This record gives sequence, structure tokens and C-alpha cells, in this order.
Amino acid sequence: GENVEQHPSTLSVQEGDSAVIKCTYSDSASNYFPWYKQELGKRPQLIIDIRSNVGEKKDQRIAVTLNKTAKHFSLHITETQPEDSAVYFCGTSGYSTLTFGKGTMLLVSP
Amino acid sequence: DGGITQSPKYLFRKEGQNVTLSCEQNLNHDAMYWYRQDPGQGLRLIYYSQIVNDFQKGDIAEGYSVSREKKESFPLTVTSAQKNPTAFYLCASSFTHRGTDTQYFGPGTRLTVL
Repeated sequence: GENVEQHPSTLSVQEGDSAVIKCTYSDSASNYFPWYKQELGKRPQLIIDIRSNVGEKKDQRIAVTLNKTAKHFSLHITETQPEDSAVYFCGTSGYSTLTFGKGTMLLVSP
Repeated sequence: DGGITQSPKYLFRKEGQNVTLSCEQNLNHDAMYWYRQDPGQGLRLIYYSQIVNDFQKGDIAEGYSVSREKKESFPLTVTSAQKNPTAFYLCASSFTHRGTDTQYFGPGTRLTVL
């Protein structure tokens, strides 16, 4: 089955800095790559997603880049704020179920 | 956030007891999913259902059972055969089971075995 590796497991930044989280996957058939944000004790919520026919997608301070040749995709958060502190999960899917990375805990210090 | 509900929010169970977690959605979604979340383990798929009266095992189905008698409901039973059931359980749904359909999550149920 699909294998998704997510790095780093924890990331600490100062408010205003940028944060980058990277995921690598194994299944070349994967064509959908969502990112979810989960605050402590809450449900995961989709923040951005990208499909394989697109190399980059941006939504305000959040962007995702995809390199299908190298089988990796990354989440970029610019001008981080304390409310960005949460666990972030990447996911991949092809024709079937989503496989998730193990998550990155992002801590933004004021 | 609305559209998918899970109950109860917290659940305590004695060893050897079966317990059923509720998941309901009013989004008219065909597909529903159950995930288990443990610290540092991400989200692992237990069972999923593409349509009413149909369901398939996910990666960690042992010790769990499900039913899908109604489109809106996908209850999960944690049986006494599940060796380590203490975890946070998340239900999700999507419009279809196509891998590119966005999954929306419920608020979760935290199960503790005493």
C-alpha cells in the first residue's frame, strides 16, 4: 500500500517566520494531496489541497507545492501567527482511500 | 464544521465490554470512514463504506465492526477483541469514494478503557 513520510515531526518558529512541512509518498498513482490542520482536541480541517495536474497552489499565507517526479509535496506557511499552532497532516490518494502522514506539530511563539 | 456529528464526546469502558460509537451526517454523502488517532501515529483507517449496505476493512480493522443500514449513519463497535482500544476515534464522510473527494471530519469520540 501507499507509504507517506512526513517531516519534521515538530517545528518551532517565531511569529512572523515561515514554516515548511514536507511529505514524500511511494505510489506513483497518487493524484490528490490534501493538508489538514488539527487544533488540540478538535477535528482535522482541510486547509488546502492540490491535484496532480497542478504544481503549486496558494491561498493567502498558505501554499502547497507538488513535485510528482520526486514524489514529494510541501506545505508553506508565511508570516506565521500564534493561531497557526496546531498539528498538520498531509494525505495522499489515488483511486481509493486517503493515506495520512503521522503529523507535524507546529509551535509559533509570540 | 457542521454536518457530521459524533457521540458521545467522551466514553469510558471496562475491559471486556463492547461499545458503539455513533456517527451521523446530513451532507448527503455516499462515503463514510472511521479513523483511529493515537499520539504520534497520525490517522489510521479502520473501516470505510462507499454506499449503503456496503463496507470494507481498512488498515486496522481487527477488533472492530461496523454497519451501514442508512446513508446518514455509520456506527462503529469496538469489541472486546480489540486489545488496545483507548484512542481518539474520528468519523469522516465524502461525497463519493473517489480518492480526490474531500473528506470532512466529525468532532471525534475519546474512548478510554478502564
